[in-house]
Amino acid sequence: GDSVTQMEGPVTLSEEAFLTINCTYTATGYPSLFWYVQYPGEGLQLLLKATKADDKGSNKGFEATYRKETTSFHLEKGSVQVSDSAVYFCALSQYGNKLVFGAGTILRVKS
Amino acid sequence: EAGVVQSPRYKIIEKKQPVAFWCNPISGHNTLYWYLQNLGQGPELLIRYENEEAVDDSQLPKDRFSAERLKGVDSTLKIQPAELGDSAVYLCASRGVGELFFGEGSRLTVL
Repeated sequence: GDSVTQMEGPVTLSEEAFLTINCTYTATGYPSLFWYVQYPGEGLQLLLKATKADDKGSNKGFEATYRKETTSFHLEKGSVQVSDSAVYFCALSQYGNKLVFGAGTILRVKS
Repeated sequence: EAGVVQSPRYKIIEKKQPVAFWCNPISGHNTLYWYLQNLGQGPELLIRYENEEAVDDSQLPKDRFSAERLKGVDSTLKIQPAELGDSAVYLCASRGVGELFFGEGSRLTVL
């Protein structure tokens, strides 16, 4: 079945450092890809998404590009802030029916 | 616009006791999901509703778990009897245009 693999955390960075969180997927067909974020004490929120190959999703300074050839959707941010500390989940969806999530990556940003 | 509302936020019970979780989706959202999130893992789908109909419940342990969405709006997820391994966060989500919206979750601790 479909699956998502994320890099293990926690990832600990200093403020203004560059962030990459790797995500690869296995799926039949051509899924849509998502990054969700979970801040402490809050529910999951959609951060960005891409629906077809070579699409780039972006939001709040975060970016991810749908790479079909490498089945990847890596999350990047040029300069992280303490407020970005959260758990980040990569996910895929086929036909808009359900989300299949990765295990999540904890990001800790130090000031 | 109100988000997805779940209750209770926290529940502590002893094993073999019953427990129920309630979810009120965003108004107008016909598709509702229940996900299970174990500690340190990504959410996993338990059941998906299209209006009143459960269209994907293949991952729901039907010997002890049950769910209903009687009028196609609110939903209840029940566990009877609870086991130690059921300790987790139970997430409800509803689907809008191109996106799932999640509630804050109900954290269950079984002693």
